Amino acid sequence: DADVTQTPRNRITKTGKRIMLECSQTKGHDRMYWYRQDPGLGLRLIYYSFDVKDINKGEISDGYSVSRQAQAKFSLSLESAIPNQTALYFCATSDLDVRGVSGELFFGEGSRLTVL
Amino acid sequence: LAKTTQPISMDSYEGQEVNITCSHNNIATNDYITWYQQFPSQGPRFIIQGYKTKVTNEVASLFIPADRKSSTLSLPRVSLSDTAVYYCLVGSYSSASKIIFGSGTRLSIRP
Repeated sequence: DADVTQTPRNRITKTGKRIMLECSQTKGHDRMYWYRQDPGLGLRLIYYSFDVKDINKGEISDGYSVSRQAQAKFSLSLESAIPNQTALYFCATSDLDVRGVSGELFFGEGSRLTVL
Repeated sequence: LAKTTQPISMDSYEGQEVNITCSHNNIATNDYITWYQQFPSQGPRFIIQGYKTKVTNEVASLFIPADRKSSTLSLPRVSLSDTAVYYCLVGSYSSASKIIFGSGTRLSIRP
């Protein structure tokens, strides 16, 4: 089983619909992230959380919200989806290493969202 | 923000050594340099991380000069399976919002 699991893997929806993408992890990491990737581009950070009570906006948080229900779960919601939110969404986790530096990011397999 | 600049694309052949250079002129004292590899429709995968001088692991080497304003990822004896996009990231990770994935370098390996 994957350490970082995203559901759904693919979703087609219509403009105005509410969509939730879920992420769960078995790595025991405190830090979780949601990224968005558009074709041919790098990843852009939407939201991140360093523990259950911590939520932080990334560079493109408008139109999105998140919920950190538990250490292992981090959900991304689109309250009213629009076509330009069509993208590939990745969840990731990380932890601090002995230097106090956040270690490598572990990514899920991605959730492809299409908004018509 | 420590922005990075990488070549958009590179081509090479199987068995060759490939070096991808990343420029990060505004790197901060507590920033680390990290490289990721991404295959189509998959999440990026960590390759290597370093702070200064040289770091080597089982898949790559990372060379960082004394001024730390650039870094070079070296892939020895590449194969077709190394065809991917490679991202150079700079950040302290204590502030996740400052870790920027650029557009990466699209590496194509030919037989």
